[in-house]
Amino acid sequence: EAGVTQFPSHSVIEKGQTVTLRCDPISGHDNLYWYRRVMGKEIKFLLHFVKESKQDESGMPNNRFLAERTGGTYSTLKVQPAELEDSGVYFCASSHSWGRDDSYEQYFGPGTRLTVT
Amino acid sequence: AQSVTQLDSQVPVFEEAPVELRCNYSSSVSVYLFWYVQYPNQGLQLLLKYLSGSTLVESINGFEAEFNKSQTSFHLRKPSVHISDTAEYFCAVSGSGTYKYIFGTGTRLKVLA
Repeated sequence: EAGVTQFPSHSVIEKGQTVTLRCDPISGHDNLYWYRRVMGKEIKFLLHFVKESKQDESGMPNNRFLAERTGGTYSTLKVQPAELEDSGVYFCASSHSWGRDDSYEQYFGPGTRLTVT
Repeated sequence: AQSVTQLDSQVPVFEEAPVELRCNYSSSVSVYLFWYVQYPNQGLQLLLKYLSGSTLVESINGFEAEFNKSQTSFHLRKPSVHISDTAEYFCAVSGSGTYKYIFGTGTRLKVLA
């Protein structure tokens, strides 16, 4: 099966601009997660979708970040307007439906490296 | 709240030597523990996991980790490393009603010839 894919792999934008990151999870995975790693720090949870619903968005930094998962398939994460501190690597992950033995196992995409100048 | 500590940010080791990457976690409830590896220019790959059962878990490429509840640790070990093991290794915890991962800060393993 195809893995989790993310687009773009790199993005360089100026402060104040808008950027949209896309994640395509593994087909059939109901759970989709966004994480972010700021340089030198830990990978931090941003939010969790179950199908098209936001299950947990406790990690979203502020209202400049907007995540959507229309139709319960791919997801987008929009940053508007971008600030310098938004730079980092944004990872997407997906996992099977709850109730399965492997529900806790997340499959990660390669990440999108965002640089805000 | 859950947290994960990886005390070693970088670990240099010579090829064929043993290595241990340390991971300690804090949690007041049952946990699930994971080690992920990120090779240069690649995404995160699951190396091994502890969900329940045997406290010693092994990967297909020779790594093993032992869940120690009393010491709240999940250290990663390999008896003999290869150059190809050079990568960054992340310890993560999940559980207690939430599926999100809490990650440590990562450990860069550099295997020297």
